[in-house]
Amino acid sequence: DGGITQSPKYLFRKEGQNVTLSCEQNLNHDAMYWYRQDPGQGLRLIYYSQIVNDFQKGDIAEGYSVSREKKESFPLTVTSAQKNPTAFYLCASSTPEGLYEQYFGPGTRLTVT
Amino acid sequence: AQSVTQLGSHVSVSEGALVLLRCNYSSSVPPYLFWYVQYPNQGLQLLLKYTSAATLVKGINGFEAEFKKSETSFHLTKPSAHMSDAAEYFCAVSGETSYDKVIFGPGTSLSVIP
Repeated sequence: DGGITQSPKYLFRKEGQNVTLSCEQNLNHDAMYWYRQDPGQGLRLIYYSQIVNDFQKGDIAEGYSVSREKKESFPLTVTSAQKNPTAFYLCASSTPEGLYEQYFGPGTRLTVT
Repeated sequence: AQSVTQLGSHVSVSEGALVLLRCNYSSSVPPYLFWYVQYPNQGLQLLLKYTSAATLVKGINGFEAEFKKSETSFHLTKPSAHMSDAAEYFCAVSGETSYDKVIFGPGTSLSVIP
C-alpha cells in the first residue's frame, strides 16, 4: 500500500540535543511538507519541498533544518536552537495531478526535557 | 493572498443532530478547497475536496460540503452526528500557483454529546 511513514511515533530527547525525524513516502509525490502542531492549535508550516534538492522555509523555520536528497525522503532536524521543540510533528506530501490534496503521515510526538 | 477562517474553535452537538462546521476562504484565483479530519494523536485524513466540478461535494463518513462562490464559503455538514465523529476538522485552500503551499484553517474541534 502507498502512503507516508513517520518514525518513531514517540521520541524523547534531552534539551540541547539535535534530533532528526524521519518521513518517507512511496506515493511518487514531488512535494513534501513538515508541519508542527501544538495542543489546541492548527498546523504551522515549518519547511516544504517541491522538488528534490530544493526546499523553502515555511512560517516557523527557525531552529529547524531539512534535506531533500531523494524524492521519497524528507527528514526534519530539530536543532538545539529551537526554543520550544516539544510538539506533534506531521509530514505530508502532494502532487499537482492530485490537485494539491495532501497526504499525511501518522505524526511523531517529540518531547524534550 | 489565500486565507481560511473557521468560525468556532469548538462545536458541540448531540448525537443524531445536524453537524455544521463553517469555513470561509479568501482567494485571488479559483480555489481548490479541502476538508480534513484529525483524530487524537493521528495524522490528517481527507474528508472531501472541491475541484471546480459540482458545487455540492460528498465525502467519506456521510459528510458533505457546498461551495458557494458568492459567500466565499465551504461549510461542512452531516445530517446526523455519530459519537465517532468527535475529532478536529480543518478546512484548507490551495495556493495561487502550483508552487504555493496549501493554506490550512485553525481547525474546529467537534464534540458529540450522547
